[in-house]
Amino acid sequence: QVQMRASGPGLVRPSQTLSLSCTASGDAVGRRDAAWAWLRQSPGGGLEWIASVYYRGKTSYNPSLQSRATIRVDSSKNQFSLDLNSVTAADTAVYFCARQTTRVLSALTYLYYFDSWGQGTRVTVSS
Amino acid sequence: DIVLTQSPESLAVSLGERVTIHCRSSQNVLNTSNNKNYLTWYQQRPGQPPKLLFSWSSTRESGVPDRISASGSGADFTLTISSLQAEDVAVYFCFQFYGSPHTFGQGTKLEIK
Repeated sequence: QVQMRASGPGLVRPSQTLSLSCTASGDAVGRRDAAWAWLRQSPGGGLEWIASVYYRGKTSYNPSLQSRATIRVDSSKNQFSLDLNSVTAADTAVYFCARQTTRVLSALTYLYYFDSWGQGTRVTVSS
Repeated sequence: DIVLTQSPESLAVSLGERVTIHCRSSQNVLNTSNNKNYLTWYQQRPGQPPKLLFSWSSTRESGVPDRISASGSGADFTLTISSLQAEDVAVYFCFQFYGSPHTFGQGTKLEIK
């Protein structure tokens, strides 16, 4: 059974870059038939998908955050990470990492739902 | 973006009573090529990450009790708890992966009366 542990700085200053890391165990982040994602939950409780990374480092982003987000995978460490730049108070949230199911069809990868989530790490943006 | 609207936003129900939560999509999430609804349900207990309850609108995940069921197709979906138990206290979210970006409903908070 996969387990994921998200880690982050806790507090980030406005306009700085937030860097998060997720370490997976019990599954390989480089496998062909899964994706690895970052999501966040605002203080009001709403959930938002941020980005996904899958086979050979291919990526997919939520258009609302695409200009500020970068997701990467490091198969040698079985980790994936997220950088979010130019943060504001609106980026204050609990950030979750998750495994995402996929389907590969005619060399295309379709991203589906999140079947396993890590515990999440709380990030506050404040000066 | 596809908007998922859940109702009610919160509810308090007595133990043993029936619970019904609705999720309405702004667009159809049924893929007619494979006859699958691209919608899932999650349960988030206090202090925990979301947990997958149902995939493909009504496929129960391992370990989910039989008293919790899900149904619906197209743009209207329902999560039902036939007899509320204390461990069902949580926020329930629907999620669609038919359109991009994938989106969540705003959540329904379930409490014990």
